Amino acid sequence: DGGITQSPKYLFRKEGQNVTLSCEQNLNHDAMYWYRQDPGQGLRLIYYSQIVNDFQKGDIAEGYSVSREKKESFPLTVTSAQKNPTAFYLCASTDREGRRNEQFFGPGTRLTVL
Amino acid sequence: LAKTTQPISMDSYEGQEVNITCSHNNIATNDYITWYQQFPSQGPRFIIQGYKTKVTNEVASLFIPADRKSSTLSLPRVSLSDTAVYYCLVRDAGNNRKLIWGLGTSLAVNP
Repeated sequence: DGGITQSPKYLFRKEGQNVTLSCEQNLNHDAMYWYRQDPGQGLRLIYYSQIVNDFQKGDIAEGYSVSREKKESFPLTVTSAQKNPTAFYLCASTDREGRRNEQFFGPGTRLTVL
Repeated sequence: LAKTTQPISMDSYEGQEVNITCSHNNIATNDYITWYQQFPSQGPRFIIQGYKTKVTNEVASLFIPADRKSSTLSLPRVSLSDTAVYYCLVRDAGNNRKLIWGLGTSLAVNP
């Protein structure tokens, strides 16, 4: 089955630690995205990548880093510089950055800082 | 800059038709308008998208006026399982065609 997988589903982190969230897709999509969602709020874009080895900051990139070494993978690192990292993180992909914006989402990772 | 506005919440009853409107100005001229459904602790799921006039699929209809300054998602005969948050998604006319998500409409369907 084609789709997007995110792991882990739940993640606990101590303050001061970096953590990396995994996102893999086998849809052969060019573009991938990371969003953050806080309780009762919409989606805020952290980073996106339209092609391998290239990525752009979104609206709330501070305290996060990404890499795109392979087309199917777009891991997100939440660094200790992120002041309030507890949130629900969603990864998405699209076929291309075209007129149609159908994004396919993974199941999400819920990160809690202890 | 493009901006979207949706009602924060709506209430309905099983079997009724529900219409959710998203207002959006300064959107990209050639891009589609897309709607998503999200259940708690899950990723959003694509419902429908359109460019102009009316589009219908097996779960919803989407109405877009000629000026494209709004779009209305129509859910016919809702059931309890339609209780979810609904988001509209557009692209900014400028700002590098930035993706603009609505803040979502929380729909509660009552028995």
